[in-house]
Amino acid sequence: DAKTTQPPSMDCAEGRAANLPCNHSTISGNEYVYWYRQIHSQGPQYIIHGLKNNETNEMASLIITEDRKSSTLILPHATLRDTAVYYCIALYGGSQGNLIFGKGTKLSVKP
Amino acid sequence: DVKVTQSSRYLVKRTGEKVFLECVQDMDHENMFWYRQDPGLGLRLIYFSYDVKMKEKGDIPEGYSVSREKKERFSLILESASTNQTSMYLCASTEGLLGANVLTFGAGSRLTVL
Repeated sequence: DAKTTQPPSMDCAEGRAANLPCNHSTISGNEYVYWYRQIHSQGPQYIIHGLKNNETNEMASLIITEDRKSSTLILPHATLRDTAVYYCIALYGGSQGNLIFGKGTKLSVKP
Repeated sequence: DVKVTQSSRYLVKRTGEKVFLECVQDMDHENMFWYRQDPGLGLRLIYFSYDVKMKEKGDIPEGYSVSREKKERFSLILESASTNQTSMYLCASTEGLLGANVLTFGAGSRLTVL
């Protein structure tokens, strides 16, 4: 699975959009981009995933560049409860579950 | 929504004790997984199972065993707990192979071995 690179930390004002970047320059054509987040001492929570097209759900939007070498997770109206570590993972489509979580981005949403 | 329930959120055990960590999912998922999470090391796969009574070793199976007698339940067993097994243990499940499917995690079980 391709390695991903994320900034170690970011701040965001409550109510504003949080844009979390992820680089995955070695991603292959059949690797999906997944985003999870983890609030302290809890299990990781699935947010969104995509292959080539941009995706949106009730939690977030995922924007994948045309060359697929990077992506951005957008939380449109961040709240204090969105403070967490966010992980971007590139995962081969036939994988049986060996997710490799890097260090992620610690997002702090401030009032 | 899929629910993955881990029986204990916090456990404290002594060295040499046998430890059972139970995990139940309610969506008839085929695949279930056990990970451990340690600071600086991320998530590491211990074992997974893709069917009842089937199991496969992950990256760090030593010191652990698993049991899957029913589709909804996947148990992690530490036959003789050691201090280096102090960790956060995470159970997860998914319907099929990852990629198009989503891995859903439980809340985690934090084990301390004294």
